[in-house]
Amino acid sequence: KQEVTQIPAALSVPEGENLVLNCSFTDSAIYNLQWFRQDPGKGLTSLLLIQSSQREQTSGRLNASLDKSSGRSTLYIAASQPGDSATYLCAVSLGDYKLSFGAGTTVTVRA
Amino acid sequence: KAGVTQTPRYLIKTRGQQVTLSCSPISGHRSVSWYQQTPGQGLQFLFEYFSETQRNKGNFPGRFSGRQFSNSRSEMNVSTLELGDSALYLCASSFNRDSDTQYFGPGTRLTVL
Repeated sequence: KQEVTQIPAALSVPEGENLVLNCSFTDSAIYNLQWFRQDPGKGLTSLLLIQSSQREQTSGRLNASLDKSSGRSTLYIAASQPGDSATYLCAVSLGDYKLSFGAGTTVTVRA
Repeated sequence: KAGVTQTPRYLIKTRGQQVTLSCSPISGHRSVSWYQQTPGQGLQFLFEYFSETQRNKGNFPGRFSGRQFSNSRSEMNVSTLELGDSALYLCASSFNRDSDTQYFGPGTRLTVL
């Protein structure tokens, strides 16, 4: 069974600081990994999708890396803004049509 | 292109009742998945449908069921509701395979009294 862990559970930073969010998974035979953002009481917004053959993906201020062999992914958010405050979730797929989610990291960016 | 839509957005039911939730995927998407989100258990996979066929099912009791129609719209049903079924139920769609990005709807908030 795939276990996904996200550390830390919560993070508070001043505006402008770079954010580093960590995700680890137990089964390295993943098909892909996705990072999502969730605002309170809302659905999930996809941020980045990394296929198993890729090492990283970038979109604007976001960069996600993937190291399958060590079972880790890191999401970097550059120059954080108050609007980045949300819960960030990582999810992995083993190619079985389902996602296994971590518990998330709740980020607060202080103005 | 319109996103994933879910109806209703909020529901209040009492124990023992049954409920049906609906999900309309993004146009052209053929895969629909359902997830339950609770503060204690986080996001848990319920089931996935593609072309009206269930391809995978999570570890939930038989009270949870679903189906997909020929237009890719999907419904999930929960019978004999229990207090522990109170949760945010999220639907996600993707074009086809596991390699595709999953797009989530806003969810249906179910409260069981």
